Amino acid sequence: RKEVEQDPGPFNVPEGATVAFNCTYSNSASQSFFWYRQDCRKEPKLLMSVYSSGNEDGRFTAQLNRASQYISLLIRDSKLSDSATYLCVVNGITGGGNKLTFGTGTQLKVEL
Amino acid sequence: EPEVTQTPSHQVTQMGQEVILRCVPISNHLYFYWYRQILGQKVEFLVSFYNNEISEKSEIFDDQFSVERPDGSNFTLKIRSTKLEDSAMYFCASSAGTSGTQGQYFGPGTRLTVL
Repeated sequence: RKEVEQDPGPFNVPEGATVAFNCTYSNSASQSFFWYRQDCRKEPKLLMSVYSSGNEDGRFTAQLNRASQYISLLIRDSKLSDSATYLCVVNGITGGGNKLTFGTGTQLKVEL
Repeated sequence: EPEVTQTPSHQVTQMGQEVILRCVPISNHLYFYWYRQILGQKVEFLVSFYNNEISEKSEIFDDQFSVERPDGSNFTLKIRSTKLEDSAMYFCASSAGTSGTQGQYFGPGTRLTVL
């Protein structure tokens, strides 16, 4: 089983749509969780941390289910500028405190 | 907004040559990292560095790789004898504390091409 698994997509959605991405991770001892965004040939940019209670930042909502080892990201009212690859990232998957383990990413294309 | 910077943006080298990739982490950050991303693949952890020593490294980070913080601002990755398979984008990152809920902040990367 992959350490962090994501559906690669692409997800092609019209502007204004709501889209959800899912991710699973293999190690129940993992410590913290993030969504990063990566534009083509650019660096990963931190989008948001993911908390067990769920958290929201504007149009973005992240959820964590530790029992199922499952992380989600919901984007409401998608914009053209949301087109990017969304990376599910887990910290401490091998017990180390600072090693980020990345999924392969889910590609989102928002269209007119 | 403070950011991580990296130089050069693109480095082309011949197989067997040594390269040094440079990074300036965010100034009040204490933890530094190198990751790499081979074209079309996922981002992979190489090494973490804290208090002037390596705190963790991956299997990729073999004896050909080394890191150094030569002064109070720079953080470097050296590849002693480059191989074709070292061609990748190398990202430097930093964090204020252990990543916890803060995450790590990435520089724009150095694209290394080994011929």
